[in-house]
Amino acid sequence: GNSVTQMEGPVTLSEEAFLTINCTYTATGYPSLFWYVQYPGEGLQLLLKATKADDKGSNKGFEATYRKETTSFHLEKGSVQVSDSAVYFCALSDGNTGGFKTIFGAGTRLFVKA
Amino acid sequence: DGGITQSPKYLFRKEGQNVTLSCEQNLNHDAMYWYRQDPGQGLRLIYYSQIVNDFQKGDIAEGYSVSREKKESFPLTVTSAQKNPTAFYLCASSIASGNEQFFGPGTRLTVL
Repeated sequence: GNSVTQMEGPVTLSEEAFLTINCTYTATGYPSLFWYVQYPGEGLQLLLKATKADDKGSNKGFEATYRKETTSFHLEKGSVQVSDSAVYFCALSDGNTGGFKTIFGAGTRLFVKA
Repeated sequence: DGGITQSPKYLFRKEGQNVTLSCEQNLNHDAMYWYRQDPGQGLRLIYYSQIVNDFQKGDIAEGYSVSREKKESFPLTVTSAQKNPTAFYLCASSIASGNEQFFGPGTRLTVL
């Protein structure tokens, strides 16, 4: 079945450091891929998405590229801020096989120190 | 402004009582979902609905029930059969199944 694997956290960085959060997936079809962010005590918000191979999603300085050959969708940001501290979830949705569910990874907590 | 609202934000329940969590959306979305999130954990799907008057069990439906009588509303009832109900509950909606989801702010349920 479909699955999503994220790097375990927490990830602790200093402000202005480079961020990478790894995400790999398994899917039988051609999934859409998402990154969601959850700030403390809140619901999730869509950060970015990509719907086909080689697509790059980007938003608020974050980027992720849909790599079908490595089944990966790693999240990157060139210079993190304290306000980026949150939990980040990688997710996939595989509509081509009639899938209706979005599969979420376990989440990676990011702490950014001033 | 369009969005999803959940109420209440915090809810306390005595053991053995049923409790209903509200979820309303004005995004005109067909699909709605309920997730459970435990501390430090990911999201687990409880129930989902792809259209009015229809819903399906997710991965952890035991001890929960839902209804979808209106497009805008998808209330979740946590019954006394749910053995460990203390958790953070998230409601979400999407235009259709499989599309990006929009989440509400969540309800934190504590069983005393």
